[in-house]
Amino acid sequence: EPEVTQTPSHQVTQMGQEVILRCVPISNHLYFYWYRQILGQKVEFLVSFYNNEISEKSEIFDDQFSVERPDGSNFTLKIRSTKLEDSAMYFCASSRTGQDGGTQYFGPGTRLLVL
Amino acid sequence: AQKITQTQPGMFVQEKEAVTLDCTYDTSDQSYGLFWYKQPSSGEMIFLIYQGSYDEQNATEGRYSLNFQKARKSANLVISASQLGDSAMYFCAMREGHQGGKLIFGQGTELSVKP
Repeated sequence: EPEVTQTPSHQVTQMGQEVILRCVPISNHLYFYWYRQILGQKVEFLVSFYNNEISEKSEIFDDQFSVERPDGSNFTLKIRSTKLEDSAMYFCASSRTGQDGGTQYFGPGTRLLVL
Repeated sequence: AQKITQTQPGMFVQEKEAVTLDCTYDTSDQSYGLFWYKQPSSGEMIFLIYQGSYDEQNATEGRYSLNFQKARKSANLVISASQLGDSAMYFCAMREGHQGGKLIFGQGTELSVKP
């Protein structure tokens, strides 16, 4: 069964460093998303991506964040200069339109720790 | 105002019994989707069940069913014949508008299944 994959599973970085989180969405999906979950809290939407451009972004997704689909399979989230409060689990998700109502399937997450 | 409300931070259920996890939502859209996800202690987000706002029948997926009461704006998850492996965090989520839209999550309910 196709699934969303994410790398790395864990990342530790120093404050101010750049990180790139990588995702491979399900191959026939057209919508891609990033969410984050701070420890013990609910899942928060960051950004959605369709047709090679951002379709929606949240207030959290400021100038420090960017997304890219560099080729036909990968989808990346870059944080330019990490802050302590960026420590969270980051989930990539993908979906298609159809009878499943656009169900979003999530990857296993990347746990980011900023020191 | 909260878009998705899960009022039960924690629930206990005896193995083999049924349990209902509550979810209420708030939207003025006519077209929306309601989803439940399971998050075990390992951290991944597992899709369980989807209900479309125009669906007249309650959704079912194996031991999971969604008790959809549109007038009350509730979308409760019912798990029948609970198993020890059902112990996890459960999140209700809503997608407003088109199928590529973002998910808005509730705070979650932590379910513990007792042997």
